[in-house]
Formats: sequence, structure tokens, C-alpha cells
Amino acid sequence: KAGVTQTPRYLIKTRGQQVTLSCSPISGHRSVSWYQQTPGQGLQFLFEYFSETQRNKGNFPGRFSGRQFSNSRSEMNVSTLELGDSALYLCASSRTERDTGELFFGEGSRLTVL
Amino acid sequence: DAKTTQPPSMDCAEGRAANLPCNHSTISGNEYVYWYRQIHSQGPQYIIHGLKNNETNEMASLIITEDRKSSTLILPHATLRDTAVYYCIVRGSGNTGKLIFGQGTTLQVKP
Repeated sequence: KAGVTQTPRYLIKTRGQQVTLSCSPISGHRSVSWYQQTPGQGLQFLFEYFSETQRNKGNFPGRFSGRQFSNSRSEMNVSTLELGDSALYLCASSRTERDTGELFFGEGSRLTVL
Repeated sequence: DAKTTQPPSMDCAEGRAANLPCNHSTISGNEYVYWYRQIHSQGPQYIIHGLKNNETNEMASLIITEDRKSSTLILPHATLRDTAVYYCIVRGSGNTGKLIFGQGTTLQVKP
């Protein structure tokens, strides 16, 4: 079956702009999580959605937001972009709210802020 | 979720077993040990997880000490494609999508 799909794969923005990234989870998966990966901070948890509700949120400013649709697809938005927002943004999905199994990650969206 | 400690880097000869250690001395009774790896420029990939018993799947084996304070991931016959950063993560069952990644171990498999 198809894996986690993230679009776009690469994008370049300038400071002050905003960006929206999209994630389509594996069919049947209802939980979607987002992560930011930078060379300095490594992989950091942004937020998690389940059934269109945010369940967990990491320690990021309010410029980072997300949402989940009824078909489990998710988007994240970053407003007023800063140079430090340049990163690989990863989406992961899992089947159920209390699944102790694995997360399936997409290939990521690489954002460059100039 | 408990914190983990891993060596920053390790080397392994191709075809030999790679044994990656992880210390999680503050793990609590309901927390699982997970291993993921990330090959350069790709998303992390799940390898294996366990609670207190040793686990084996087609990719690797996970050995958890009896006191659960440490564990070892074993790749039985490492190949060049196993070169990656390996993350040991401890989390409870209630936080499905939230993983706390450390710096991981960079495993270099050499021919």
C-alpha cells in the first residue's frame, strides 16, 4: 500500500512569507504527527492530530500551526517565516490513538528560507 | 518519557553483527523501548520495539536487560545499506505520535 506522502518535497521561501505543507497518511491511519529536523536541534516533535483534534503539541511558537481533515490528511502552516525555520519537516502516521506500534514517516518537505 | 543515552558513533565491518547499545536507566514500568533509523535524507524508519522481553523481527533483534535499564539493538549481518543514524527511544503507550528523539548513534558499515 502507498506510504505517507508529503508535498511539496522541496520549497524555497523568503523571510516573512508563510508556507503550508501537506501530508497524506497511509490509508486507514488516523493519527498524524509532524516533526522538524535541523542540524542543530535534531528531530523535534511539533504536534499530533487524531480525528481532526490536536492531541499533543511540542515546544514551538504559535507561528507553527496545523490541522487535520476528516479524511485524516493533515496540513501544517508556518507564518512569518524566519531563517531558522529552514528545516526538513517530517510527517508520520499511525493507525490508532493508543497504538503501541510503529510510526510510518514520509520522506519530508525540505524548506529553505532565504 | 525517559531519556536515553547512546554512543555518538560506531563502526562495523560488512557482514558482521552490529550491536548498538542504549542506556535508559530512568525507564518506568509501562514504557516501551523503540528503535528507529534514518538513512541520509530519508524519513526515519521503524525497526523494532519491546517492553521487557527480547524481540526479533526480519530486520533486527532487541535485547532488553532484566532490570530494563539498558538495551541492545543487534543487526545480525550488517550491510552497507545499514549505514544510518539509529535512534533509541523510550515512550509510554499513551503517546502514540510523540517521540522524543535524541542524537542517536551514527553507524558506519565499512566494506
